[in-house]
Parts: sequence; C-alpha cells; structure tokens
Amino acid sequence: AQSVTQLGSHVSVSEGALVLLRCNYSSSVPPYLFWYVQYPNQGLQLLLKYTSAATLVKGINGFEAEFKKSETSFHLTKPSAHMSDAAEYFCAVSDTGGFKTIFGAGTRLFVKA
Amino acid sequence: GAGVSQSPSNKVTEKGKDVELRCDPISGHTALYWYRQSLGQGLEFLIYFQGNSAPDKSGLPSDRFSAERTGGSVSTLTIQRTQQEDSAVYLCASSLLAGDTQYFGPGTRLTVL
Repeated sequence: AQSVTQLGSHVSVSEGALVLLRCNYSSSVPPYLFWYVQYPNQGLQLLLKYTSAATLVKGINGFEAEFKKSETSFHLTKPSAHMSDAAEYFCAVSDTGGFKTIFGAGTRLFVKA
Repeated sequence: GAGVSQSPSNKVTEKGKDVELRCDPISGHTALYWYRQSLGQGLEFLIYFQGNSAPDKSGLPSDRFSAERTGGSVSTLTIQRTQQEDSAVYLCASSLLAGDTQYFGPGTRLTVL
C-alpha cells in the first residue's frame, strides 16, 4: 500500500529565506510523485510531478523537488520565499499506472515579511 | 467551461438525509477522481473512474457512499443517510489519462447538521 508523510503541518519562513517542505513516501512499485498547492480560497493546482525521468524536477513559481529513492523522499524547495508563496502544499504519490493517488495531510506555509 | 465544475458549491443537510454532489470534468478527460478533504486533514481518496473500466471504489468509507459516471462524462457522488462525520469538502478532479496531471474543481462544502 502506498502512503505519504509530510513532516510539519505548519512551516514558517521569512521572506527571502529558503523554503523546504518535507515529504516521504512508501510504495511497492516505482511511484509517480506530485506536489500540489492550494492558495487561499482557490482550488488545488499542480506544482510539479516526477514520473521516473530526471530526479530533479522543476515546477512553477521557482519550486523544485528532488526524488531520492534511497531516502524515499521527495522534498520541495524554493531558494527564496515570496509572500505570495503562502499556501497549503500537498505531496502525493500514485503507482506507475497513476490510477489511485494518495495525498499527504498537507503543510501550511507561512511567509513573514 | 474550461475547468472542472462542481455543484452545489455549498450544501447543508440534516442528519439522515441523502445528498447528491455533481462533477463536470474537463471535456475529453478520461479519468475522474473524487476526494474528501476534512478540516485539518489532507485529501482522502474516495473513488476514480477511467474510461469504460470498472471504477476503483476502494476509498469509499462505507456503503452509504456511491458514485457513478454517465456517458464517460458527468459524475455524481451520492451519500445516503448522511452523518455528521460526513461534513467535509468534496473535491472532484479529472485528467486526460490516468497518471496525467489532475485538474481540480472548486469543491462542494457539505455540512451535516
């Protein structure tokens, strides 16, 4: 069975600081991995996804994530936080068929001026 | 419309009543997913449809929940004899093919009194 663990339900950073949101997964088959973002009062949208090509995946708005099989991790990073990055971020995993997607509990990112 | 639409946007019902939630996916998308987002929790997978294949119902929490997708397009999620713990935001998503990027609707907020 697949599962996703997001470490930290809330993360607070200062504007301009590094953003690091942690995600660990378990999967019995090579996974597809996703980060979705939910801005206040908006629907979920895809930030980036890993589908067994390059292990470093670049997404929208300057975010990127690195797939590390040995650590079963897919942490999301951004070098410099912006106020507009404040949102809730969800890590998700699906099997290579992509049929069933399991989401983590989410991490709410706060950005301080 | 260009995106996934859901109706109603809000639904308040009394315990024990049945409710129907509707999802209109993006035209041409073969895969459709239902999720539940409870307060402070991540997205809980409920069910997905892929083309004409039998749906994966493994995430439905009880036999009070059912869903259908007519003509490979519109889907309806039905909750019978609603309970207070059914209160949540119900999200629908569609993708061109299983494993592709999922596009989410705005959700239906269900409140069971």
